Amino acid sequence: QKEVEQNSGPLSVPEGAIASLNCTYSDRGSQSFFWYRQYSGKSPELIMFIYSNGDKEDGRFTAQLNKASQYVSLLIRDSQPSDSATYLCAHQEESSYKLIFGSGTRLLVRP
Amino acid sequence: NAGVTQTPKFQVLKTGQSMTLQCAQDMNHNSMYWYRQDPGMGLRLIYYSASEGTTDKGEVPNGYNVSRLNKREFSLRLESAAPSQTSVYFCASGETGTGETQYFGPGTRLLVL
Repeated sequence: QKEVEQNSGPLSVPEGAIASLNCTYSDRGSQSFFWYRQYSGKSPELIMFIYSNGDKEDGRFTAQLNKASQYVSLLIRDSQPSDSATYLCAHQEESSYKLIFGSGTRLLVRP
Repeated sequence: NAGVTQTPKFQVLKTGQSMTLQCAQDMNHNSMYWYRQDPGMGLRLIYYSASEGTTDKGEVPNGYNVSRLNKREFSLRLESAAPSQTSVYFCASGETGTGETQYFGPGTRLLVL
C-alpha cells in the first residue's frame, strides 16, 4: 500500500465549477502536506502547503486537512481550462523532511 | 536567477552505457533531491542530499549513484543503463525543515534502448 493515495482520474468538471481533489495518507505522524500542480510535459510547482487541521485558502484554492481521518483535499473554485493538469499530493516525513508523493490526479476542466 | 537547471534535456542511451545527469541551483538551498517519474507512478525519490557533503538513499536507489559536488550542484550517475531506467528525471532543491518547499528543475527525459 502506497503511503499517499490519490484517485488517478481523470476528474472532469465544467468551467466555473468547483473541482474537489482528495488524498489519503497512512502515516499518522505526518504534520505537513503539500499540493503540487504539474502541467503535461512540465515540472511540478507548489500551489498549497498546509500544516494545521482545518482549511487554508489562497485565491481560488482551498486546502483542507483532517488528521483524524487522515485525508487532505484541494478545492479549486471557479475552475478554468488553464487549471487542467495533474495535481500531486505529498506529505513530509518528520524525521528526514523528505516528501512522499502520491501518484497524482488528472483534472480536466471543460470549456 | 535561473532556479534549478538540469542538463541534458533529453538523452537516448543503449543498454549498458553510462551517463551523468547534472543539476545546479542558485537559491542557496541546503537540500537537493533526484526523483524519477513514470506513468501512473508519481514522483519517486532516488537519492537526496540534506546538506553539502551528505547523501542518502531514497525509495528507488538501485542502479544509481550521486555526488553532491558543492552546495550548488548535485549529479546523478547511471553506471550501466537498463531499459527499466527509461523515465523522466527531476532534480529539486529546498531548505531543510518543516514545510520546506521543493523547487523542481525542468526535467531530463531519458530513453534506454
